Amino acid sequence: GDSVTQMEGPVTLSEEAFLTINCTYTATGYPSLFWYVQYPGEGLQLLLKATKADDKGSNKGFEATYRKETTSFHLEKGSVQVSDSAVYFCAVNTGFQKLVFGTGTRLLVSP
Amino acid sequence: EPEVTQTPSHQVTQMGQEVILRCVPISNHLYFYWYRQILGQKVEFLVSFYNNEISEKSEIFDDQFSVERPDGSNFTLKIRSTKLEDSAMYFCASDALPGELFFGEGSRLTVL
Repeated sequence: GDSVTQMEGPVTLSEEAFLTINCTYTATGYPSLFWYVQYPGEGLQLLLKATKADDKGSNKGFEATYRKETTSFHLEKGSVQVSDSAVYFCAVNTGFQKLVFGTGTRLLVSP
Repeated sequence: EPEVTQTPSHQVTQMGQEVILRCVPISNHLYFYWYRQILGQKVEFLVSFYNNEISEKSEIFDDQFSVERPDGSNFTLKIRSTKLEDSAMYFCASDALPGELFFGEGSRLTVL
């Protein structure tokens, strides 16, 4: 079945550092890929998405590029802020009505 | 901005008791979902619901679980006889486009 593998956390960075959170997936067909973010005490929110190979999703300074050849969808941000501290989930959807999530990566940004 | 609302935010129950978690999805969305997140673990799909019937369910969603849309706005998850391992955060979600889910803030269920 479909699956998502994310790097283990927590990822601890200082403000303005560069962020990469790795995500690889296994899926049949032509999946869509997503990053969701969960701030403390809240539900998950869609951060960005990409629906086909080589698409780049972007939002709030975060970017991720759909790499079919490496089955990856790594999340990046050039300069993180304290307010970016949250848990980030990579997810895959193959057109059926469910998302398969990774285990989540906690990001801690210190001033 | 429209949002998915869930009640209760936290429920404590005794093992073997029935629990109903309630959700109000976004009004023009057509697909509704329940996911759960056991503390510190991944977010797991339970069930999807479309056109007043289950469209897909996971292995977790056994006979102890049921979903219902009793009226035009509410979407409920019922656990008939709770077990300790049902303790988790339960998230309701809805979408208009595949994968672009809007999640509620969750209902924390604690089974003692």
